[in-house]
Amino acid sequence: GAGVSQSPRYKVAKRGQDVALRCDPISGHVSLFWYQQALGQGPEFLTYFQNEAQLDKSGLPSDRFFAERPEGSVSTLKIQRTQQEDSAVYLCASSLETGNNQPQHFGDGTRLSIL
Amino acid sequence: DQQVKQNSPSLSVQEGRISILNCDYTNSMFDYFLWYKKYPAEGPTFLISISSIKDKNEDGRFTVFLNKSAKHLSLHIVPSQPGDSAVYFCAATYNFNKFYFGSGTKLNVKP
Repeated sequence: GAGVSQSPRYKVAKRGQDVALRCDPISGHVSLFWYQQALGQGPEFLTYFQNEAQLDKSGLPSDRFFAERPEGSVSTLKIQRTQQEDSAVYLCASSLETGNNQPQHFGDGTRLSIL
Repeated sequence: DQQVKQNSPSLSVQEGRISILNCDYTNSMFDYFLWYKKYPAEGPTFLISISSIKDKNEDGRFTVFLNKSAKHLSLHIVPSQPGDSAVYFCAATYNFNKFYFGSGTKLNVKP
């Protein structure tokens, strides 16, 4: 399909390990968002890209979290020295452009479990 | 501090009846609101939206109402169908760079 694709779907890591989560947005979509969703909660904003520019990273919980989108398409969310509180579903969303009432299209998420 | 709140974690409705899901917000700068539907193990799917210049938007069985003075919006589903059973999230933004989501309401439509 032509939807937002995230990989891996599931990731188990030991505390202290580094992880990398990938997002392939819908082709041609300018805007890309990362969210963290804890169990029983709604998605919580992490960061936003417009093409390759990271315009808002105010939601990243600590400097262990890093996101990039070097060519304005695929994005990677990296978490260094993982902690148990990082366990959550990480959602990626893309939209055609900023504003103009463009809805976000979400991927199915990566479920991260830190042991 | 959560700026978008869904105070009902769950709602159960009989098939064919109306489902009303509620959402409150605190930030008066929000000017665009959205509803998403989520099935287990899938990402949220966009359902319907409303701009702050309107007080109602309708799309088939789904209608969203916005009361700016009360900082309240609601989603009406009429008639409700078993396939509507899912978790519904409301979301709000003021710059389209950052979206704030509620904690969700799980709707169960009983056949």
